[in-house]
Amino acid sequence: SQQGEEDPQALSIQEGENATMNCSYKTSINNLQWYRQNSGRGLVHLILIRSNEREKHSGRLRVTLDTSKKSSSLLITASRAADTASYFCAPSSGYSTLTFGKGTMLLVSP
Amino acid sequence: KAGVTQTPRYLIKTRGQQVTLSCSPISGHRSVSWYQQTPGQGLQFLFEYFSETQRNKGNFPGRFSGRQFSNSRSEMNVSTLELGDSALYLCASSSGRRGQETQYFGPGTRLLVL
Repeated sequence: SQQGEEDPQALSIQEGENATMNCSYKTSINNLQWYRQNSGRGLVHLILIRSNEREKHSGRLRVTLDTSKKSSSLLITASRAADTASYFCAPSSGYSTLTFGKGTMLLVSP
Repeated sequence: KAGVTQTPRYLIKTRGQQVTLSCSPISGHRSVSWYQQTPGQGLQFLFEYFSETQRNKGNFPGRFSGRQFSNSRSEMNVSTLELGDSALYLCASSSGRRGQETQYFGPGTRLLVL
C-alpha cells in the first residue's frame, strides 16, 4: 500500500465557510478513502471513491479524484464547529492495508 | 450491528513489561488491522490478520506481535516495553474482501509506558 500526503497540514476557518483539503499519492490506486479523527479517538470512515470515479458526494462532503494528477480533494461545505478534527486520506490498491499520512488538522471556529 | 471494541481503553505500564491489547471486530468481519499512532510518527500500520493468518505486516520490531482467533477477535502483544511505545493503538475491521475496503475503527487503547 502507499501513503497519501495531505495538504495543508492545518486549516482554520469560521463556521459556515467551506473547507478544502488535498491529498496526493505516488502510484496507481484502486480506490481512495477519506477518514476523520476527532481528538484522540478512533477514525471514522467518511467516503470512498474508486479509481474510475471522478467525483462523489455524501451530505456536505464532496470528493474529487484526478488519477492523471494522482490527487484527490475533500470539500466540506458550510462547516460546523463539530467538523473540527483531523482528516486523513488513504489511497489503496484494494486490500485491507491502509497507510495514512500526517493528516490535515481542521479547526472550525464558531 | 455493534461497532469495533477495544480493551482496555487505557493502560499504564513500566519499561520492560509486556502488554496485551484486545480487539473485537464487527460481526462478520474477518480482517483486523492494527495501527500505532504517536504525535511524532503519525498513524503507522502494524499488521493485518485475515482468517487467523497474518496477511500483511508493517515495519515494526519483533517485540510487536499479534494473533487472531477463530471468532476473528484479535490480540496484539508488545514485549519488553520501551518509552517510545507510548501511543494510541487502534484496531480496524473490514470484510477483507476486494471491493469492500472500508475499515471500521475502534476507539483505541491509550498506552502509557513509564
